Amino acid sequence: QKEVEQNSGPLSVPEGAIASLNCTYSDRGSQSFFWYRQYSGKSPELIMFIYSNGDKEDGRFTAQLNKASQYVSLLIRDSQPSDSATYLCAVISSGSARQLTFGSGTQLTVLP
Amino acid sequence: SQTIHQWPATLVQPVGSPLSLECTVEGTSNPNLYWYRQAAGRGLQLLFYSVGIGQISSEVPQNLSASRPQDRQFILSSKKLLLSDSGFYLCAWSDNNYGYTFGSGTRLTVV
Repeated sequence: QKEVEQNSGPLSVPEGAIASLNCTYSDRGSQSFFWYRQYSGKSPELIMFIYSNGDKEDGRFTAQLNKASQYVSLLIRDSQPSDSATYLCAVISSGSARQLTFGSGTQLTVLP
Repeated sequence: SQTIHQWPATLVQPVGSPLSLECTVEGTSNPNLYWYRQAAGRGLQLLFYSVGIGQISSEVPQNLSASRPQDRQFILSSKKLLLSDSGFYLCAWSDNNYGYTFGSGTRLTVV
């Protein structure tokens, strides 16, 4: 069973702080990693993807990948109340016909 | 640009009734199509995926079925709904380059 694990939270941070969201995956052959944001009652929207070890930055968001540790994280700098949502980690595992396996999500609340 | 349409947005159905949810994609050809279900407070569970017309793979044995009658149309069906079929149903597409793009979802309540 290929699994993606996330802390369910809730995670609360004050406005302006850095929010750190973590994810581990079980399939060492996984190649592609994604972070989705899901507001309550809405569908998930892709905010970051990363394929190579290291950091990838896009505005206030930074994705970090460590394939040796099977660990991927998302940092949100200068957190805003509008960032309050559930963040889903997703992985395309080896030999999976590009099926995304999702973690159960981490609920983030940014306090004004 | 590519868009994905999913309807209806909300549905309340009695136990034992049939179900048909439709999803269409515009602006792309031969997409991979997916149906996911999200139970309240839970993660996304892959139900079906399709890599082409008439090609359906099922991930979870259940009383649901899927069909792909046209390249950009994906349908989720049931002959008799169960209470446990309640949830948020999401259609998604992928072009093999990036992650999935999701439709707006259908919230199904079986009563």
